[in-house]
Amino acid sequence: DTEVTQTPKHLVMGMTNKKSLKCEQHMGHRAMYWYKQKAKKPPELMFVYSYEKLSINESVPSRFSPECPNSSLLNLHLHALQPEDSALYLCASSQDPSSYNSPLHFGNGTRLTVT
Amino acid sequence: ELKVEQNPLFLSMQEGKNYTIYCNYSTTSDRLYWYRQDPGKSLESLFVLLSNGAVKQEGRLMASLDTKARLSTLHITAAVHDLSATYFCAVMNSGGSNYKLTFGKGTLLTVNP
Repeated sequence: DTEVTQTPKHLVMGMTNKKSLKCEQHMGHRAMYWYKQKAKKPPELMFVYSYEKLSINESVPSRFSPECPNSSLLNLHLHALQPEDSALYLCASSQDPSSYNSPLHFGNGTRLTVT
Repeated sequence: ELKVEQNPLFLSMQEGKNYTIYCNYSTTSDRLYWYRQDPGKSLESLFVLLSNGAVKQEGRLMASLDTKARLSTLHITAAVHDLSATYFCAVMNSGGSNYKLTFGKGTLLTVNP
């Protein structure tokens, strides 16, 4: 079982909907990440939060809006998505981005389908 | 911009055989990771390699790192069906205080009886 919990596991939404993906970890990690993964492709970084501050935004469209309410929680707010945004969205956490022996721990992901 | 290349991208092998997956990266880095992903599942951390000459082994998998050649290898010994999965290498680069993990395209490993 993963120590990073993502909800929901599956989400189907229309292009006019607003929804949110949630991610939670209780490992005391101070860095949290959102990745997007299309089928048979590697994960692509979207956002990085370090100590609850947004440190990296990989030029993600504004229809994706991240939020880090506290060190254990990470949300991804979705609005006016396009069908091509359908993918597996993975949340990950690590002790600290600068910590050398700290792999990213990934959640099981949210499978998003935009209709 | 950091580029990470894996090869082969597809690997079909028989049980009991040995093989190596290669991961090359384009800029200096002090951290390299190997992950496994089963179909429809999340990524599982296999190895963290931090220094030149680092070698780590877990079961039938052994990973090594040559930072001078910017090359990591994942060696599979006496493959078994349970090792069938996609294997990703990922390299951490840091720009100032920003740390970004870049993944290779992945190697889809199929182990046949």
